[in-house]
Amino acid sequence: NAGVMQNPRHLVRRRGQEARLRCSPMKGHSHVYWYRQLPEEGLKFMVYLQKENIIDESGMPKERFSAEFPKEGPSILRIQQVVRGDSAAYFCASSPLGDKNTEAFFGQGTRLTVV
Amino acid sequence: KNQVEQSPQSLIILEGKNCTLQCNYTVSPFSNLRWYKQDTGRGPVSLTIMTFSENTKSNGRYTATLDADTKQSSLHITASQLSDSASYICVVISGGYNKLIFGAGTRLAVHP
Repeated sequence: NAGVMQNPRHLVRRRGQEARLRCSPMKGHSHVYWYRQLPEEGLKFMVYLQKENIIDESGMPKERFSAEFPKEGPSILRIQQVVRGDSAAYFCASSPLGDKNTEAFFGQGTRLTVV
Repeated sequence: KNQVEQSPQSLIILEGKNCTLQCNYTVSPFSNLRWYKQDTGRGPVSLTIMTFSENTKSNGRYTATLDADTKQSSLHITASQLSDSASYICVVISGGYNKLIFGAGTRLAVHP
């Protein structure tokens, strides 16, 4: 059973381009969470998705950011018209259940650099 | 405002020594508290999960404590090894699902 798979591991984009980050949860996990880690800071919650549904997007910037978790395929975090401030590590986590006592497992992250 | 604060920010110890990392939180409602280890360039890995009613939990050389009254937790590492060099992150769950509130972490360096 492979762990949470994120790709790409490293992504470089020029200002104004789009960034697409992919997350394949662990087998049997239908709950996905995205977190962002700015340099020298802790991880910050962005969005919680369950298959085909956004449950909580309270941590998502109002513009340019969107997330989806389709019935088939990986979860996608999409950042349109990237700016330098979007440079960060983006981590995805998954869990089999959404409740508070179920452990969430993290991927290795995607490091986005905007030049 | 929900916050998780950790101290110290960084720590250097010699191999074989013990150390204790601190975590204070102002999160309400409180569901449970977790300690994660994050190696440089990798995702966080869970060390312990503690619920409101648990005071102490051990996982090998790691022992976590929780005082829900004072809203404090500690992570004690015994007989440190070079591979313990990493960031240790205190995480609090508030509410009914896995929405994690992360501290900034303590960066531990174990030197030979």
